[in-house]
Amino acid sequence: SQKIEQNSEALNIQEGKTATLTCNYTNYSPAYLQWYRQDPGRGPVFLLLIRENEKEKRKERLKVTFDTTLKQSLFHITASQPADSATYLCALDMRGNTPLVFGKGTRLSVIA
Amino acid sequence: DTEVTQTPKHLVMGMTNKKSLKCEQHMGHRAMYWYKQKAKKPPELMFVYSYEKLSINESVPSRFSPECPNSSLLNLHLHALQPEDSALYLCASSQMLQSSGNTIYFGEGSWLTVV
Repeated sequence: SQKIEQNSEALNIQEGKTATLTCNYTNYSPAYLQWYRQDPGRGPVFLLLIRENEKEKRKERLKVTFDTTLKQSLFHITASQPADSATYLCALDMRGNTPLVFGKGTRLSVIA
Repeated sequence: DTEVTQTPKHLVMGMTNKKSLKCEQHMGHRAMYWYKQKAKKPPELMFVYSYEKLSINESVPSRFSPECPNSSLLNLHLHALQPEDSALYLCASSQMLQSSGNTIYFGEGSWLTVV
């Protein structure tokens, strides 16, 4: 069966450390993988997109990797800050007229 | 600030009421979406409109009725809802439905409480 899993429901880290969130999938062949941030009571906001033929993408303190052999994406936030506390959702972007498939999200708490 | 505008932000309705949620975007996007989200769960897709035609209905009960009057507007008509339908309803849009690295722009959501 098709599955998309984000490894932790919740992750607590100390301010200044690097947060690493994992997204694994099975029986999907995404053309792209996207990451979104969602704050409580608000809609998700797009952060980064990585293509299947890209290994890594960076944007400021964010880095995403995509390994289509392992069927995994890692999302890193370096020098984390309390303001980074939110839920982070990965989403698979398939070929064809299909909408994004969202993971359940990881709730990140950065403690000062 | 999001470029997808949803109204109302909060709605309380009785089980016999008829109400509507509204959504507007002016980015020229041709795909528009309704999602339902319960606490601590990911957004759950309900409907997708592509070029103003209903493209996907994820087996949503008929008490939810979507409408796309034009390329900028999307409505969700609500009738005879149940308390378990209480949730955050998110509208979203993207350039088009086909995969081309489209990103989805979400509205702030409408909080619905059914009493």
